[in-house]
Amino acid sequence: QLQLQESGPGLVKPSETLSLTCTVSGGSISSSSYYWGWIRQPPGKGLEWIGSIYYSGSTYYNPSLKSRVTISVDTSKNQFSLKLSSVTAADTAVYYCAGLWFRDENWFDPWGQGTLVTVSS
Amino acid sequence: DIQMTQSPSSLSASVGDRVTITCRASQSISSYLNWYQQKPGKAPKLLIYAASSLQSGVPSRFSGSGSGTDFTLTISSLQPEDFATYYCQQSYSTHHSFGPGTKVDIK
Repeated sequence: QLQLQESGPGLVKPSETLSLTCTVSGGSISSSSYYWGWIRQPPGKGLEWIGSIYYSGSTYYNPSLKSRVTISVDTSKNQFSLKLSSVTAADTAVYYCAGLWFRDENWFDPWGQGTLVTVSS
Repeated sequence: DIQMTQSPSSLSASVGDRVTITCRASQSISSYLNWYQQKPGKAPKLLIYAASSLQSGVPSRFSGSGSGTDFTLTISSLQPEDFATYYCQQSYSTHHSFGPGTKVDIK
C-alpha cells in the first residue's frame, strides 16, 4: 500500500527558502499512474494546491506561487521535493504531500500526515 | 483558473440527519470533481472521486452527484464520526483547486 511521509525543517526564517522532501514507500515513484503533489493549509484555513510533478520531471505549479516554487523528483531515492523561496509569515502552514492518481479522472490519494512549517525569525 | 465555492461554509446537524453540501465551479468541469473529509489535526481523506464514485472503504451513507458546474455531497444519515470539514476539489484543470470547505458540527 502506497504511503507518503514529509520531512524537513519545522522553522524557517523570513526571506529564506523552505525545503521539504516527501518519501514514497509501498510503490514506485516512477509509476505511470501517478503524479505527485504538494498541498498546504495555513492554520485554521483551507487547502491550497502548490504544484505537481511526474516522475519524468514534468511539473505544474499554482500560478499564485509559481515564481517562488520548485518541485523536483529523485527516482533513485523514491522521493520528491518542494522548495519555496523568499518565504514570509503567510507561508506558515501544514504542508502535505500526496499521490495524484492520474488517469482519465484524477484525485489526490494517498496523503502524507503533513508537516507544520513556521516562518519566523 | 477555475474557482471553487462551497455552501454552506458551516452547518450544525444532529446524528441521523441528512446533510447536503453544495460545490460550484466557476466554469464547467464535467465530472472532474472530488470530495475530501478532514478531521482536526489529520490529513484530508478522499471520499468521492469523479463526482459520484465512492472511494473504497468509505461508508455508503456518503454519496456525490452533479456535473458541469454544480455538485453535491450527501450524507444520508449523519454519524458521530462524520463531524468534520469537507472540501471539494476540481481536477478538470492541471491547476488543481479546492473549495473553501464546509464545517459540519454537532447541533
